Amino acid sequence: AQSVAQPEDQVNVAEGNPLTVKCTYSVSGNPYLFWYVQYPNRGLQFLLKYITGDNLVKGSYGFEAEFNKSQTSFHLKKPSALVSDSALYFCAVRGGQTGANNLFFGTGTRLTVIP
Amino acid sequence: GAGVSQSPRYKVAKRGQDVALRCDPISGHVSLFWYQQALGQGPEFLTYFQNEAQLDKSGLPSDRFFAERPEGSVSTLKIQRTQQEDSAVYLCASSLGGGTYYEQYFGPGTRLTVT
Repeated sequence: AQSVAQPEDQVNVAEGNPLTVKCTYSVSGNPYLFWYVQYPNRGLQFLLKYITGDNLVKGSYGFEAEFNKSQTSFHLKKPSALVSDSALYFCAVRGGQTGANNLFFGTGTRLTVIP
Repeated sequence: GAGVSQSPRYKVAKRGQDVALRCDPISGHVSLFWYQQALGQGPEFLTYFQNEAQLDKSGLPSDRFFAERPEGSVSTLKIQRTQQEDSAVYLCASSLGGGTYYEQYFGPGTRLTVT
């Protein structure tokens, strides 16, 4: 069965500092991993995905994520946080089995960037 | 360009009423997904369409939930005899293809409150 864990409900970081939002996963077969961001009263916005290839994935708005197979992790990172990055972040996994098209989401991590 | 749209954005229903939630996917997107997001939780998969075919409805919580996509474009999620536990945000997402490589694009959601 597929599952995602986001161990931190809340992450606070000062503007200009690097940020990390953690995610670990469990999946049968090859993992397909995604990060989404949710702003108030708006839908989820796609940030980046890992399908195969380089373990470091670059995405929208300066975000990147590192896939670590041995640690079954896919942490989201940004070198320098902006106040506008404050939002709710979701990690998601799609299973590797044929026909497993839906996403399994974590419970989300609320990121607050302090000016 | 136009994204995924959903209507209504907010719906208040009395317990026992039927509701219908509409999703307009991005034009040309083959796959369409419905998710349910309870307060403080990540989205949970309900059902998946590829064109007009409903390929997976394993996430529908009861037989009161019904979804259709008769012409392979617009989709409707219907909930019969609503209960308080149905209160949630219902998210629709579409993707260009049916494979695991394609990211899903989400609409703003419909917030359903059952009183």
